Amino acid sequence: AQSVTQLDSQVPVFEEAPVELRCNYSSSVSVYLFWYVQYPNQGLQLLLKYLSGSTLVKGINGFEAEFNKSQTSFHLRKPSVHISDTAEYFCAVKSTGGGGTSYGKLTFGQGTILTVHP
Amino acid sequence: DGGITQSPKYLFRKEGQNVTLSCEQNLNHDAMYWYRQDPGQGLRLIYYSQIVNDFQKGDIAEGYSVSREKKESFPLTVTSAQKNPTAFYLCASSPGLAGNNEQFFGPGTRLTVL
Repeated sequence: AQSVTQLDSQVPVFEEAPVELRCNYSSSVSVYLFWYVQYPNQGLQLLLKYLSGSTLVKGINGFEAEFNKSQTSFHLRKPSVHISDTAEYFCAVKSTGGGGTSYGKLTFGQGTILTVHP
Repeated sequence: DGGITQSPKYLFRKEGQNVTLSCEQNLNHDAMYWYRQDPGQGLRLIYYSQIVNDFQKGDIAEGYSVSREKKESFPLTVTSAQKNPTAFYLCASSPGLAGNNEQFFGPGTRLTVL
């Protein structure tokens, strides 16, 4: 079984300030990790993903995330946010292996609403 | 342009009526998924399909049904047995179920049951 906890339901921040959205996960197997963004009344768009290799992953729109296996975390960061970054952000995990009841399933966190103020 | 379409964008139904949500993809993906989104709960998996004529229950399948007669199409029926159907429904697809495959999402359908 796997689960994802996004530690903040809402994060308000001023424009051009840095931001970190926190994500912790729990899983009995190895996982791939994803961050998605959702603008109001729209579907989800992939920001970035960690499959293997370097633990620092760069994504679209200037976002990056760092995979920390010992702390089972995958926090999302941006050094300077824009008004247009206002959206809801979802962290998700998926098992790497085949078979089992979790195979093929993305497990999502509850979401973090990022609001960027002028 | 390749992508996923969901229709309609907004849907209103009376309590006790069945309703079918459409999902079509032209990405040539084998796997398709239906999620339900409620405020503060993230996305929860309703059903998924790995291949035509095959589908599996997700975590919250009760009160829902699906079919997968064509590779491009994966309609979801919300039945009268679903106790709280008002929600935002998202369809997704991926090349396969394997873990490193990214899921691509449609724009969603907001269902309101009056």
